[in-house]
Amino acid sequence: AQKITQTQPGMFVQEKEAVTLDCTYDTSDQSYGLFWYKQPSSGEMIFLIYQGSYDEQNATEGRYSLNFQKARKSANLVISASQLGDSAMYFCAMREAFLKNTGNQFYFGTGTSLTVIP
Amino acid sequence: DGGITQSPKYLFRKEGQNVTLSCEQNLNHDAMYWYRQDPGQGLRLIYYSQIVNDFQKGDIAEGYSVSREKKESFPLTVTSAQKNPTAFYLCASTGLGDEQYFGPGTRLTVT
Repeated sequence: AQKITQTQPGMFVQEKEAVTLDCTYDTSDQSYGLFWYKQPSSGEMIFLIYQGSYDEQNATEGRYSLNFQKARKSANLVISASQLGDSAMYFCAMREAFLKNTGNQFYFGTGTSLTVIP
Repeated sequence: DGGITQSPKYLFRKEGQNVTLSCEQNLNHDAMYWYRQDPGQGLRLIYYSQIVNDFQKGDIAEGYSVSREKKESFPLTVTSAQKNPTAFYLCASTGLGDEQYFGPGTRLTVT
């Protein structure tokens, strides 16, 4: 089974509107971390936001927020007030058995291509 | 500034040649990773290393080899046994923080 599923290969959003990128995950661990990365056409991977499995509050970082629904195993990324520079690939990722300073494997989804329309 | 460097950005090789991709980090991170990305695809794990002189195979290790002789360095060799080596290769590391830090990547083209 896929550890991370992103069902939206491509999304379009009007500039200044909000957009939600879906991510569901599969794990039997109680402790895990969820991450979102942005990959512009240059190829670099830019970390956006993190949610720990024990965090009760949804994570927020500027215009990014993570809609964490533990029972549904979903970790959707919400981008508010979209900008043209938000056009990129977005990847959801998970690290199981979440321990600091270890090299536990990260699992990545297949990504969602977001295009912001002026 | 701290970060991960990968060189070169673009690499061209003839089929049948081994090629080594460089990855260096000055973040004092213990864990380092190599991923492969094909056009329009996600990241697939090739190898990862949790500490010096130790590394584990990822999902697609066949045709690749790595070494971890120093904490700062985790070079990846793409051997002639790798059937489709043309791809974008990303190196990453993790430390005390939660997220993976990525290098800028190397685009390898084999003809």
